[in-house]
Amino acid sequence: QVQLVQSGAEVKKPGASVKVSCKASGYTFTSYGISWVRQAPGQGLEWMGWISAYNGNTNYAQKLQGRVTMTTDTSTSTAYMELRSLRSDDTAVYYCARARLVLRAGHFDYWGQGTLVTVSS
Amino acid sequence: QSALTQPASVSGSPGQSITISCTGTSSDVGGYNYVSWYQQHPGKAPKLMIYEVSNRPSGVSNRFSGSKSGNTASLTISGLQAEDEADYYCSSYTSSSTPSVVFGGGTKLTVL
Repeated sequence: QVQLVQSGAEVKKPGASVKVSCKASGYTFTSYGISWVRQAPGQGLEWMGWISAYNGNTNYAQKLQGRVTMTTDTSTSTAYMELRSLRSDDTAVYYCARARLVLRAGHFDYWGQGTLVTVSS
Repeated sequence: QSALTQPASVSGSPGQSITISCTGTSSDVGGYNYVSWYQQHPGKAPKLMIYEVSNRPSGVSNRFSGSKSGNTASLTISGLQAEDEADYYCSSYTSSSTPSVVFGGGTKLTVL
C-alpha cells in the first residue's frame, strides 16, 4: 500500500532553517512527483512546490522562491523540503503528497501524516 | 497567485444534497480541466475526493461528484451523512505568473 511517512515535529528560532523528510513506499518512487503543502494553525492549505522524482525538476510557489529547496534521494525513495530564513508566520503543519510527473495534472492522491514546524524565539 | 474563492461554510441535513462552489479565473479553473477537491477532518491530512473536475479515485463514495462551468467548479455531495462533516478544499493548476497549483480558502461543511 502507498505510504508517505514524514519526519517528526521541529521547533526552530527565527532566521534558522528546517529540513523535513518524506519517505515513500508501496510504489515506484521515480514514476511520480512530490508536492509540499502547508497549513498554518486554523488556516487553509497552501501549495509550496513540486518536484519530479524522475528527473529532479522543480516548481516553487512564487512567494517562497529563494527560501525553499525541494530535493529527492531516489536510492532511499525519500523527498526533502528545506525552508530557510524562518519567520513566525512559517509556523504550520507541512505535508508531502504524491503528485503526477507533470505538475499540470495537479492532484495529490496520497498524503503524509504532516510535520508540525514551530518557529518561535 | 490569489486563492480560489469558496464559501466559508455550508450546511445540510442528513440525506440532503449540498453543493460547494469554487470560483477562479480563465488562468486556472476556467482554463484547465485540472480541478481537484479534498476533504479534511480535524487533525487529519487531506484526502483526495475528486480529480480532473469530475473523476473519483477508487474507494471514494459515488455520493461525491464534481463539475465545472466556465470559471466555477462545484462539488456536490448527495445523501449527506454525519461523517461528511469536514472542511473541503478545491485546487487547480494555474498558469498565472508561474506554473503552480492554487487552493481555495476552504469550506466548512456542517451536517445538522
